[in-house]
Amino acid sequence: QSALTQPASVSGSPGQWITISCTGTSSDIGSHNHVSWYHQHPGKAPKLIIYDVSQRPSGVSNRFSGSKSGNTASLTISGLQAEDETNYYCCAYAGSSIWLFGGGTKVTVL
Amino acid sequence: QVQLQESGPGLVKSSETLSLTCTVSGGSINNYYWAWIRQPPGKGLEWIGFIYYTGSTSYNPSLKSRVTISVDTSENQFSLQLSSVTAPDTAVYYCARQQTGELGYAYDIWGQGTMVTVSS
Repeated sequence: QSALTQPASVSGSPGQWITISCTGTSSDIGSHNHVSWYHQHPGKAPKLIIYDVSQRPSGVSNRFSGSKSGNTASLTISGLQAEDETNYYCCAYAGSSIWLFGGGTKVTVL
Repeated sequence: QVQLQESGPGLVKSSETLSLTCTVSGGSINNYYWAWIRQPPGKGLEWIGFIYYTGSTSYNPSLKSRVTISVDTSENQFSLQLSSVTAPDTAVYYCARQQTGELGYAYDIWGQGTMVTVSS
Protein backbone atom coordinates (compact mmCIF):
# COMPACT_ATOMS: atom_id res chain seq x y z
CA GLN A 1 0.00 0.00 0.00
CA SER A 2 1.16 3.54 -0.80
CA ALA A 3 0.48 6.71 1.12
CA LEU A 4 -2.62 8.65 0.21
CA THR A 5 -2.00 11.64 -2.08
CA GLN A 6 -2.64 15.16 -0.81
CA PRO A 7 -1.65 18.50 -2.37
CA ALA A 8 1.44 19.91 -0.71
CA SER A 9 -0.20 23.26 -0.10
CA VAL A 10 -3.52 25.07 -0.33
CA SER A 11 -4.15 28.73 0.36
CA GLY A 12 -7.08 31.05 0.78
CA SER A 13 -8.07 34.46 2.10
CA PRO A 14 -9.81 35.00 5.43
CA GLY A 15 -13.52 34.26 5.17
CA GLN A 16 -13.18 32.16 2.03
CA TRP A 17 -13.50 28.40 1.80
CA ILE A 18 -10.86 25.93 0.69
CA THR A 19 -10.88 22.23 -0.11
CA ILE A 20 -8.11 19.72 0.50
CA SER A 21 -8.20 16.50 -1.49
CA CYS A 22 -6.99 13.08 -0.44
CA THR A 23 -6.68 10.55 -3.24
CA GLY A 24 -6.38 6.84 -2.69
CA THR A 25 -7.39 3.74 -4.59
CA SER A 26 -10.37 1.46 -4.99
CA SER A 27 -8.87 -0.69 -2.21
CA ASP A 28 -8.85 2.00 0.47
CA ILE A 29 -10.91 5.18 0.11
CA GLY A 30 -12.97 3.67 -2.69
CA SER A 31 -13.96 0.64 -0.62
CA HIS A 32 -14.41 1.94 2.91
CA ASN A 33 -15.99 4.92 4.64
CA HIS A 34 -13.34 5.06 7.36
CA VAL A 35 -11.65 8.30 6.30
CA SER A 36 -10.52 10.73 8.97
CA TRP A 37 -8.84 14.11 8.96
CA TYR A 38 -6.43 15.70 11.43
CA HIS A 39 -4.78 19.04 11.81
CA GLN A 40 -1.41 19.45 13.44
CA HIS A 41 0.09 22.63 14.74
CA PRO A 42 3.90 22.82 14.87
CA GLY A 43 5.36 20.84 17.73
CA LYS A 44 1.97 19.42 18.70
CA ALA A 45 0.24 16.09 18.27
CA PRO A 46 -2.35 15.73 15.50
CA LYS A 47 -5.95 16.46 16.46
CA LEU A 48 -8.96 14.66 15.01
CA ILE A 49 -11.38 16.96 13.16
CA ILE A 50 -13.37 14.58 10.91
CA TYR A 51 -14.02 10.84 11.11
CA ASP A 52 -15.93 8.35 8.97
CA VAL A 53 -15.73 10.70 5.96
CA SER A 54 -18.02 13.43 7.27
CA GLN A 55 -18.59 13.13 11.02
CA ARG A 56 -17.36 15.85 13.36
CA PRO A 57 -16.23 14.99 16.90
CA SER A 58 -17.84 16.94 19.69
CA GLY A 59 -16.27 20.35 20.05
CA VAL A 60 -14.93 20.62 16.49
CA SER A 61 -16.08 23.69 14.58
CA ASN A 62 -18.80 23.20 11.96
CA ARG A 63 -16.57 25.15 9.58
CA PHE A 64 -14.88 21.81 8.93
CA SER A 65 -16.72 19.35 6.71
CA GLY A 66 -15.79 16.17 4.89
CA SER A 67 -16.98 14.27 1.85
CA LYS A 68 -15.98 11.46 -0.47
CA SER A 69 -16.41 10.67 -4.14
CA GLY A 70 -14.97 7.50 -5.60
CA ASN A 71 -11.35 7.14 -4.56
CA THR A 72 -11.01 10.73 -3.34
CA ALA A 73 -11.96 12.22 0.00
CA SER A 74 -12.11 15.94 0.65
CA LEU A 75 -11.92 18.29 3.61
CA THR A 76 -13.55 21.69 3.25
CA ILE A 77 -12.79 24.58 5.57
CA SER A 78 -15.32 27.38 5.29
CA GLY A 79 -14.98 30.88 6.71
CA LEU A 80 -11.20 30.52 6.71
CA GLN A 81 -9.53 31.98 9.81
CA ALA A 82 -5.92 32.73 10.69
CA GLU A 83 -5.97 29.91 13.24
CA ASP A 84 -6.66 27.42 10.44
CA GLU A 85 -3.16 27.97 9.08
CA THR A 86 -1.38 24.69 9.80
CA ASN A 87 -0.88 21.18 8.42
CA TYR A 88 -3.71 18.76 7.61
CA TYR A 89 -3.54 14.99 7.18
CA CYS A 90 -6.02 12.44 5.91
CA CYS A 91 -6.13 8.82 7.03
CA ALA A 92 -8.00 5.89 5.53
CA TYR A 93 -8.61 2.22 6.17
CA ALA A 94 -6.98 0.11 3.47
CA GLY A 95 -8.50 -3.23 4.37
CA SER A 96 -6.80 -6.20 6.07
CA SER A 97 -6.42 -4.15 9.28
CA ILE A 98 -4.04 -1.70 7.58
CA TRP A 99 -4.28 2.07 7.81
CA LEU A 100 -2.75 4.72 5.57
CA PHE A 101 -1.99 8.41 6.05
CA GLY A 102 -1.70 11.09 3.44
CA GLY A 103 1.47 13.09 2.96
CA GLY A 104 -0.04 16.20 4.47
CA THR A 105 -1.19 19.58 3.21
CA LYS A 106 -0.01 22.93 4.46
CA VAL A 107 -2.82 25.46 4.59
CA THR A 108 -1.85 29.10 4.29
CA VAL A 109 -4.21 31.94 5.11
CA LEU A 110 -3.29 34.85 2.86
CA GLN B 1 -10.34 12.17 30.48
CA VAL B 2 -8.09 9.59 28.88
CA GLN B 3 -4.49 10.68 28.38
CA LEU B 4 -1.55 8.94 26.72
CA GLN B 5 2.12 9.40 27.54
CA GLU B 6 5.03 7.98 25.60
CA SER B 7 8.28 7.11 27.35
CA GLY B 8 11.61 5.65 26.34
CA PRO B 9 15.13 6.53 25.20
CA GLY B 10 15.50 9.55 22.96
CA LEU B 11 18.68 8.20 21.38
CA VAL B 12 19.17 4.74 19.90
CA LYS B 13 22.27 3.45 18.15
CA SER B 14 22.07 2.24 14.59
CA SER B 15 21.31 -1.49 14.26
CA GLU B 16 19.90 -1.67 17.79
CA THR B 17 16.29 -1.94 18.93
CA LEU B 18 14.05 1.05 19.65
CA SER B 19 11.75 0.46 22.62
CA LEU B 20 8.93 2.77 23.67
CA THR B 21 6.05 2.47 26.12
CA CYS B 22 2.73 4.28 26.12
CA THR B 23 0.95 4.65 29.45
CA VAL B 24 -2.82 5.12 29.41
CA SER B 25 -4.24 7.18 32.26
CA GLY B 26 -7.76 8.33 33.10
CA GLY B 27 -9.36 5.25 31.59
CA SER B 28 -8.94 1.55 30.90
CA ILE B 29 -6.89 0.06 28.10
CA ASN B 30 -9.56 -2.62 27.74
CA ASN B 31 -11.96 -2.73 24.80
CA TYR B 32 -9.91 -0.44 22.58
CA TYR B 33 -7.31 -0.63 19.83
CA TRP B 34 -4.04 1.20 20.48
CA ALA B 35 -1.65 2.37 17.79
CA TRP B 36 1.84 3.67 17.13
CA ILE B 37 2.31 6.36 14.50
CA ARG B 38 5.54 8.15 13.64
CA GLN B 39 6.60 11.36 11.91
CA PRO B 40 10.13 11.93 10.59
CA PRO B 41 11.34 15.52 10.97
CA GLY B 42 9.56 17.79 8.51
CA LYS B 43 7.60 14.93 6.99
CA GLY B 44 4.17 13.34 7.19
CA LEU B 45 2.61 10.73 9.42
CA GLU B 46 3.30 7.01 9.01
CA TRP B 47 1.11 4.32 10.58
CA ILE B 48 3.28 1.70 12.31
CA GLY B 49 0.62 -0.65 13.64
CA PHE B 50 -1.93 -1.33 16.34
CA ILE B 51 -2.77 -3.79 19.09
CA TYR B 52 -6.13 -4.73 20.56
CA TYR B 53 -6.25 -5.09 24.34
CA THR B 54 -6.54 -8.85 23.86
CA GLY B 55 -3.15 -8.86 22.15
CA SER B 56 -4.09 -9.19 18.49
CA THR B 57 -1.95 -6.99 16.25
CA SER B 58 -1.63 -5.51 12.79
CA TYR B 59 1.50 -3.94 11.34
CA ASN B 60 2.47 -1.73 8.42
CA PRO B 61 3.68 -4.18 5.75
CA SER B 62 6.76 -2.03 5.12
CA LEU B 63 7.84 -2.37 8.76
CA LYS B 64 6.33 -5.73 9.66
CA SER B 65 9.60 -7.66 9.75
CA ARG B 66 11.05 -5.29 12.37
CA VAL B 67 8.03 -4.31 14.51
CA THR B 68 6.54 -5.83 17.63
CA ILE B 69 3.70 -4.20 19.57
CA SER B 70 2.70 -5.67 22.91
CA VAL B 71 0.20 -4.83 25.65
CA ASP B 72 0.22 -5.08 29.44
CA THR B 73 -3.35 -4.64 30.63
CA SER B 74 -2.34 -4.90 34.29
CA GLU B 75 -0.17 -1.81 33.88
CA ASN B 76 -2.50 -0.07 31.40
CA GLN B 77 0.40 0.16 28.98
CA PHE B 78 1.32 -0.90 25.49
CA SER B 79 4.76 -0.94 23.92
CA LEU B 80 6.62 -0.69 20.62
CA GLN B 81 9.81 -2.43 19.64
CA LEU B 82 11.48 -1.64 16.32
CA SER B 83 14.57 -3.67 15.59
CA SER B 84 17.62 -3.00 13.42
CA VAL B 85 17.02 0.74 13.35
CA THR B 86 18.77 3.04 10.88
CA ALA B 87 18.77 6.80 10.32
CA PRO B 88 15.40 6.84 8.47
CA ASP B 89 13.78 5.57 11.68
CA THR B 90 14.56 8.92 13.31
CA ALA B 91 11.16 10.44 14.05
CA VAL B 92 8.66 11.65 16.58
CA TYR B 93 6.79 8.57 17.74
CA TYR B 94 3.17 8.98 18.81
CA CYS B 95 0.90 6.54 20.56
CA ALA B 96 -2.80 6.92 19.89
CA ARG B 97 -6.17 5.39 20.70
CA GLN B 98 -8.17 4.03 17.81
CA GLN B 99 -11.90 4.39 18.22
CA THR B 100 -13.98 1.81 16.40
CA GLY B 101 -17.49 0.54 15.87
CA GLU B 102 -20.43 2.78 16.64
CA LEU B 103 -18.06 5.52 17.79
CA GLY B 104 -16.62 5.68 14.29
CA TYR B 105 -13.15 4.80 13.10
CA ALA B 106 -10.34 7.26 13.80
CA TYR B 107 -7.44 8.07 16.07
CA ASP B 108 -9.24 10.19 18.64
CA ILE B 109 -6.67 10.55 21.42
CA TRP B 110 -2.95 11.05 20.93
CA GLY B 111 0.07 11.23 23.18
CA GLN B 112 2.29 14.29 22.99
CA GLY B 113 4.90 12.36 21.04
CA THR B 114 8.50 11.51 21.80
CA MET B 115 11.48 12.25 19.57
CA VAL B 116 13.76 9.30 18.87
CA THR B 117 17.05 9.87 17.10
CA VAL B 118 19.05 7.04 15.60
CA SER B 119 22.75 7.68 15.90
CA SER B 120 25.57 6.07 14.01
